[in-house]
Amino acid sequence: SQQGEEDPQALSIQEGENATMNCSYKTSINNLQWYRQNSGRGLVHLILIRSNEREKHSGRLRVTLDTSKKSSSLLITASRAADTASYFCATDNNFNKFYFGSGTKLNVKP
Amino acid sequence: KAGVTQTPRYLIKTRGQQVTLSCSPISGHRSVSWYQQTPGQGLQFLFEYFSETQRNKGNFPGRFSGRQFSNSRSEMNVSTLELGDSALYLCASSVSTNTEAFFGQGTRLTVV
Repeated sequence: SQQGEEDPQALSIQEGENATMNCSYKTSINNLQWYRQNSGRGLVHLILIRSNEREKHSGRLRVTLDTSKKSSSLLITASRAADTASYFCATDNNFNKFYFGSGTKLNVKP
Repeated sequence: KAGVTQTPRYLIKTRGQQVTLSCSPISGHRSVSWYQQTPGQGLQFLFEYFSETQRNKGNFPGRFSGRQFSNSRSEMNVSTLELGDSALYLCASSVSTNTEAFFGQGTRLTVV
């Protein structure tokens, strides 16, 4: 299976701290996308990083991709209580057939 | 620009019935994919359509089917519902391959 796996499964931090989540996958990919989900609602797209990219930024988000290690990380800086959610990575190597990991549950305490 | 719209948001059906879920992609997006999310199995790929053609299919039984219309709107159908089909069904749209995929709010299906 090419399924991405996030690590850790759960993360609890104080507001203002940084949160780092990792994602590992098994086969080559075209791109990797990170999503946020609040309480069983829809997925909110955060960032896409392509296989030929190593790092991307979007606001307080920083994503890295290491294709040699088949891993990616999502860093949220200066976290806020509103960042409390589940975070998923999704890998794509075959025409938008995405594989999702089981997600990281982030709890940001005010 | 309107986001991905899924209807209905909530649905309760009885075992054995069938159900049709609808997904309207973002204007200009030609790819629509469907996912099932359950607490036990997580997010699993159902199928993907591009320009009315199914390009990919996940490992779901034939009771799960879909289609895409010329305006890129997509429907998925589940026949002979089982209790285990209770889930959040999400659709995503994207312009093409290797581009951002945006998800709708999902349809929560409960089978009783």
